[in-house]
Amino acid sequence: GQNIDQPTEMTATEGAIVQINCTYQTSGFNGLFWYQQHAGEAPTFLSYNVLDGLEEKGRFSSFLSRSKGYSYLLLKELQMKDSASYLCAVRDDYKLSFGAGTTVTVRA
Amino acid sequence: DAGVTQSPTHLIKTRGQHVTLRCSPISGHKSVSWYQQVLGQGPQFIFQYYEKEERGRGNFPDRFSARQFPNYSSELNVNALLLGDSALYLCASSVGTGGNNEQFFGPGTRLTVL
Repeated sequence: GQNIDQPTEMTATEGAIVQINCTYQTSGFNGLFWYQQHAGEAPTFLSYNVLDGLEEKGRFSSFLSRSKGYSYLLLKELQMKDSASYLCAVRDDYKLSFGAGTTVTVRA
Repeated sequence: DAGVTQSPTHLIKTRGQHVTLRCSPISGHKSVSWYQQVLGQGPQFIFQYYEKEERGRGNFPDRFSARQFPNYSSELNVNALLLGDSALYLCASSVGTGGNNEQFFGPGTRLTVL
């Protein structure tokens, strides 16, 4: 089975940094994805990690440790528009298994 | 370029009825996956189709069925609707399956069962 855990909610101030952790126990592993989802909208792709280490994409970075079953998404220089749900998802052979999502609220 | 499209956007049904949801993938994408997202939860995998064949099925009852057409569009059918089927149904397309094939999500169909 698949077990993917991430915090339910996080709050941060505009301009700050927030780190969203994700731990997983899955029967197979073929990569870890992070998606952003604004309320009432579809998830949009942020990052993909399949090897250990850090992937950086502008203000967003994602880290993976396969041996620890652990990933994090780092959001830097937070903006109000970053207020959204952030979903951690693990791919096995073909499907994505999602965590419940972390709602990030950015305050002015 | 057009992204993944889904129809209808919203749908209201009553218990016991059936529903058909439709999805058109991004041009050139041969794989379509369906997910159910209940409010406050992450998407749950229902089906994946690739080249018109079912590649995988999630833990959903037989009331849920799907198919993929020669043009790679897809339909999700749900029979004998229950209140618990109320959710956002997301379709995602990708070039292929597995690996780093990014899944692009459509806007979803919000189904309400009364």
